[in-house]
Amino acid sequence: SQQGEEDPQALSIQEGENATMNCSYKTSINNLQWYRQNSGRGLVHLILIRSNEREKHSGRLRVTLDTSKKSSSLLITASRAADTASYFCATEFQGAQKLVFGQGTRLTINP
Amino acid sequence: DGGITQSPKYLFRKEGQNVTLSCEQNLNHDAMYWYRQDPGQGLRLIYYSQIVNDFQKGDIAEGYSVSREKKESFPLTVTSAQKNPTAFYLCASTSSGGVQETQYFGPGTRLLVL
Repeated sequence: SQQGEEDPQALSIQEGENATMNCSYKTSINNLQWYRQNSGRGLVHLILIRSNEREKHSGRLRVTLDTSKKSSSLLITASRAADTASYFCATEFQGAQKLVFGQGTRLTINP
Repeated sequence: DGGITQSPKYLFRKEGQNVTLSCEQNLNHDAMYWYRQDPGQGLRLIYYSQIVNDFQKGDIAEGYSVSREKKESFPLTVTSAQKNPTAFYLCASTSSGGVQETQYFGPGTRLLVL
């Protein structure tokens, strides 16, 4: 399967702490994207990182990409209760004009 | 407001019945996608369309059908051949369906079997 694998499947931390989620994949990619999903809702795009990029920032979010290890991480700093959601990585593999989603990390921020 | 709308929010299907899920976008996007999401799982691609009057099967197209007669509309029919249709269905769109694009998602339709 080309599906990305996310780790951990679930993460529970205290408000104010940092949360790190990881995504691994198996074949060469054009880009890797992170999405957020609140319970029972649609997905919202967070960050797109291209295969020639190593790190991107957006507000409290930091995404890294290591193509040699075929992995990416999403860091949320100074977490808030409102960050509670599921986070998905999605990879666009070379030669395929579609995204393949991982199974997601369920993040719970405890007040 | 620009965006993607899906209706209904909840849909109930009886045995042997075909049901159609609506997806409409006013973003002027060329490409549209249908995904299925099972509890605690990621999204799996059912069908996608990069241009009007053309569409391609995704990874789990069996038991589903689509049409793309208008740029803004991409309805999904869950046929009686789909034996396990209970899931959350998400529609998405991108500007051109090319590489390096982000997807915009609708709010989803939850399909339940009676």
